[in-house]
Amino acid sequence: DIQMTQSPSSLSASVGDRVTITCQASQDISNYLNWYQQKPGKAPKLLIYDASNLETGVPSRFSGSGSGTDFTFTISSLQPEDIATYYCQQYDNLLYTFGGGTKVEIK
Amino acid sequence: QVQLVQSGSELKKPGASVKVSCKASGYTFTSYAMNWVRQAPGQGLEWMGWINTNTGNPTYAQGFTGRFVFSLDTSVSTAYLQISSLKAEDTAVYYCARGGDILTGYPKYYFDYWGQGTLVTVSS
Repeated sequence: DIQMTQSPSSLSASVGDRVTITCQASQDISNYLNWYQQKPGKAPKLLIYDASNLETGVPSRFSGSGSGTDFTFTISSLQPEDIATYYCQQYDNLLYTFGGGTKVEIK
Repeated sequence: QVQLVQSGSELKKPGASVKVSCKASGYTFTSYAMNWVRQAPGQGLEWMGWINTNTGNPTYAQGFTGRFVFSLDTSVSTAYLQISSLKAEDTAVYYCARGGDILTGYPKYYFDYWGQGTLVTVSS
């Protein structure tokens, strides 16, 4: 099975900062990489699918890039409402795997 | 609008069984796969597997075979997760999530709608 290594596990940044999270797959997954946001007590919400496509209704400060094994998720200007845990998710051969998550806090 | 509404919280004793429901509305139930995701307290997301809502064929992730069963009642657009021989470590929130397009085969490999989650607590 494909393993996903997500880093960092947590970060603290100021409002307006650029925030970057990375996810590395244990083997080539093409662009089958998604990013989700989960706020406390809530279900995850899809933000980015297929590595770089912004889900409808999601603010443009969120973006994703990468292909193969290395992927990046960016918040261009951190807002107070972005406080959450972010997860990457890969798809390969009918199976899915989530990364370990990144908890984003305001400094 | 697409909605997935799950059944309410459950408190069960070790060794018992539980059945969680996920009722879909706002789309053709049999057109999309249904996935199940577990989240233990304070932990990350774990994909448990998915069920083909057209054929009823389930696929289980490693670690979720044997005691976990996915099923359907397409007449009421509902997916079910049953867990038997419950253990304390099964205590978690369980989510259903809409996945791939199984009707047209369009390559959709992400979960665009999620249920609100069902907390299953296993305690004596």
